[in-house]
Amino acid sequence: ELKVEQNPLFLSMQEGKNYTIYCNYSTTSDRLYWYRQDPGKSLESLFVLLSNGAVKQEGRLMASLDTKARLSTLHITAAVHDLSATYFCAVDKNNDMRFGAGTRLTVKP
Amino acid sequence: GAGVSQSPSNKVTEKGKDVELRCDPISGHTALYWYRQSLGQGLEFLIYFQGNSAPDKSGLPSDRFSAERTGGSVSTLTIQRTQQEDSAVYLCASSLNGYRTGELFFGEGSRLTVL
Repeated sequence: ELKVEQNPLFLSMQEGKNYTIYCNYSTTSDRLYWYRQDPGKSLESLFVLLSNGAVKQEGRLMASLDTKARLSTLHITAAVHDLSATYFCAVDKNNDMRFGAGTRLTVKP
Repeated sequence: GAGVSQSPSNKVTEKGKDVELRCDPISGHTALYWYRQSLGQGLEFLIYFQGNSAPDKSGLPSDRFSAERTGGSVSTLTIQRTQQEDSAVYLCASSLNGYRTGELFFGEGSRLTVL
């Protein structure tokens, strides 16, 4: 069974700091996704990573994928308050999409 | 429509009643997923439809839950004899698999409250 684990589950950080969220998964897959969810809202796609070594960047967020280690990272650079949200990774195995528990990020001034 | 549409957006029901939640995916999307999200929690997979294949029902928590997808488009999630622990936001998502990346597009969700 495909399992996806994220850590940390809760992250409080100061504006301007850097941090990394980790996503591990249990079976081979080369399709990994990151989503953002604001409070009371639905999920919005952030990144799609489709191959080993893939790296995508959007503003202060950068996502990478290591399929051999079954690990993806979401790196936050110089955090700002607007990044406060819950971030989910999801892994696609034969079109079966499973999500991690989410990382609730709070960026404080 | 332009996005995934779910209805109702909010549903309050009494324990023991049946409820139906509807999802209208993006036109042409062959894959449709139902997830459940309890307050402050992650997404719990419920069921997955892919084209005309038999659905993957492995995430349905009990036999009170069922779902169907008619004509490969609209899907209905039915919960019979609702219990208080069924209270959650039920999210539907669709995906254009086979041609693109498999990225999911989510609806706004149906918030179910069982009193």
